[in-house]
Amino acid sequence: RKEVEQDPGPFNVPEGATVAFNCTYSNSASQSFFWYRQDCRKEPKLLMSVYSSGNEDGRFTAQLNRASQYISLLIRDSKLSDSATYLCAVTTGSYIPTFGRGTSLIVHP
Amino acid sequence: SAVISQKPSRDICQRGTSLTIQCQVDSQVTMMFWYRQQPGQSLTLIATANQGSEATYESGFVIDKFPISRPNLTFSTLTVSNMSPEDSSIYLCSVEDSWGRRDTQYFGPGTRLTVL
Repeated sequence: RKEVEQDPGPFNVPEGATVAFNCTYSNSASQSFFWYRQDCRKEPKLLMSVYSSGNEDGRFTAQLNRASQYISLLIRDSKLSDSATYLCAVTTGSYIPTFGRGTSLIVHP
Repeated sequence: SAVISQKPSRDICQRGTSLTIQCQVDSQVTMMFWYRQQPGQSLTLIATANQGSEATYESGFVIDKFPISRPNLTFSTLTVSNMSPEDSSIYLCSVEDSWGRRDTQYFGPGTRLTVL
């Protein structure tokens, strides 16, 4: 089993839709969790950290489920500009993140 | 966050040659990281580069193939040696955040390498 797994998608949604991605991790001792966004032919950029209590940043909500070992990212009121690949990242003892393959999101008019 | 630049942004190379990629940061950082991202794949850590010591390589990556230099706190190079088509990939450097948190990373724009 891979350390960090994501459904590669693509998720194809209309503008205004709500879409959610999950990311599962295999190491129960994982400590930190993040979502990154990567636009086509660009570098990954940190989108948000994922806290145990969950966190929200505008239209984006991230949650952690330790019991089931997954994190989620919810995007409300999708915009065309949200089209990108969303990478999850998980750290363990070394604190250096392990990245998932990414989930591709396409928001269409 | 730090501003990171990489050179070259892209290159097309012949099999058997070597390419050195440069990574420059606009502020001093303790740790720099080199990743590889192959098409449709996740970011894979190649090595961690600390100033003043040898790089620490991840499983599957060796110094002879990917020698790394870290001469100061703002600069690092990664060399891809004796290249083969399997080395075609995007190579990214990254740094820890300004608070020294390794789990929060900021990436350079990447070097897109194609080996013929």
